[in-house]
Amino acid sequence: KAGVTQTPRYLIKTRGQQVTLSCSPISGHRSVSWYQQTPGQGLQFLFEYFSETQRNKGNFPGRFSGRQFSNSRSEMNVSTLELGDSALYLCASSSARGRFDTEAFFGQGTRLTVV
Amino acid sequence: GDSVTQMEGPVTLSEEAFLTINCTYTATGYPSLFWYVQYPGEGLQLLLKATKADDKGSNKGFEATYRKETTSFHLEKGSVQVSDSAVYFCALTSYGGSQGNLIFGKGTKLSVKP
Repeated sequence: KAGVTQTPRYLIKTRGQQVTLSCSPISGHRSVSWYQQTPGQGLQFLFEYFSETQRNKGNFPGRFSGRQFSNSRSEMNVSTLELGDSALYLCASSSARGRFDTEAFFGQGTRLTVV
Repeated sequence: GDSVTQMEGPVTLSEEAFLTINCTYTATGYPSLFWYVQYPGEGLQLLLKATKADDKGSNKGFEATYRKETTSFHLEKGSVQVSDSAVYFCALTSYGGSQGNLIFGKGTKLSVKP
């Protein structure tokens, strides 16, 4: 079956702009999570959506937001971009049926560069 | 809060050498533990997992044992190959938390030379 698809793969934006990233989970998966990966901070959890509801949120400013649609596809938005937002943004999906069904399948990521 | 600490890299080994990457964690409750691998230009792939104390996760010759007494989950492989060159991440998710909230270590880059 198809894996997690993230679009676009690469993006260059200017400081102050906003950006929207998209994630299509594996068919049947209802949980979508977003992570930011930078050389300095490593992988940091942004938020998780399950059945269109935000279930968990990491420690990021309100400029970072997301949503999930009824077909489980998810988008994340970053407003008023800063240079420090340059990162690889990874999306992961899971069926999340229970505590032990905890495998997260990751997409290849969107590489965002803010100039 | 919960956290994961893994050995700093990079780690450079010759083919067929023994690999250990140390990982320790701090968590309340009973976390599930994971090792993920990231190949160049790729997203993360689950390598192995363990969901309770004394469980051993294994895959592709890699092993890690969930040690509650030492709060550790060290990754080992008896004989590495060039194709194992990648970045390895130790991670946990806390009991009662969804899998979506993975807490990762900083990652250890492994380079295997022929």
